[in-house]
Amino acid sequence: SAVISQKPSRDICQRGTSLTIQCQVDSQVTMMFWYRQQPGQSLTLIATANQGSEATYESGFVIDKFPISRPNLTFSTLTVSNMSPEDSSIYLCSAMTVATNEKLFFGSGTQLSVL
Amino acid sequence: GEDVEQSLFLSVREGDSSVINCTYTDSSSTYLYWYKQEPGAGLQLLTYIFSNMDMKQDQRLTVLLNKKDTHLSLRIADTQTGDSAIYFCAESKKSYQKVTFGTGTKLQVIP
Repeated sequence: SAVISQKPSRDICQRGTSLTIQCQVDSQVTMMFWYRQQPGQSLTLIATANQGSEATYESGFVIDKFPISRPNLTFSTLTVSNMSPEDSSIYLCSAMTVATNEKLFFGSGTQLSVL
Repeated sequence: GEDVEQSLFLSVREGDSSVINCTYTDSSSTYLYWYKQEPGAGLQLLTYIFSNMDMKQDQRLTVLLNKKDTHLSLRIADTQTGDSAIYFCAESKKSYQKVTFGTGTKLQVIP
């Protein structure tokens, strides 16, 4: 398996501010994804983080609101910009790696509360 | 479409078997997964099955796939209190592609 470290694990933020979540994978990564899990809901894919190029966003998600970086193979960040209470969710980094035989593994998530 | 549906809740007694069902709409899905999420934690991959298989067994877990009916199930034998969690069914078309998750089934194990 792979170890996916995500931080912060939780944060409480004020409306209108931005939060950047970091994700580090301990092995060779083929794909990285960011998911959102709203309270009591399933996981929704935000975007695929592409190394060295712009992320590929799913319908309903835009770069201005959720800018994503992936400067190298094993590291990515997701920023939640200009936050509102509706952004309160768990944000999950995930990756497929050579070590996981391309199966999707998850970090422990970031619990975000926006006041 | 890419809808993946599950029943919301299942309650079983400790020691009984649990069966969690999942229906997906896209018959071209190639990989099907079961994930477990405990409170306050990320998702743990439990098992997976390729679409060319009908069944896969891994210790207490048995996955059954009916590709014709696009139906997937997870059977947990001798269910324990530690199995209490939310279970997500998920699918993807092929390797290196995004994974779509079901609505999740909350399993409650009664001692």
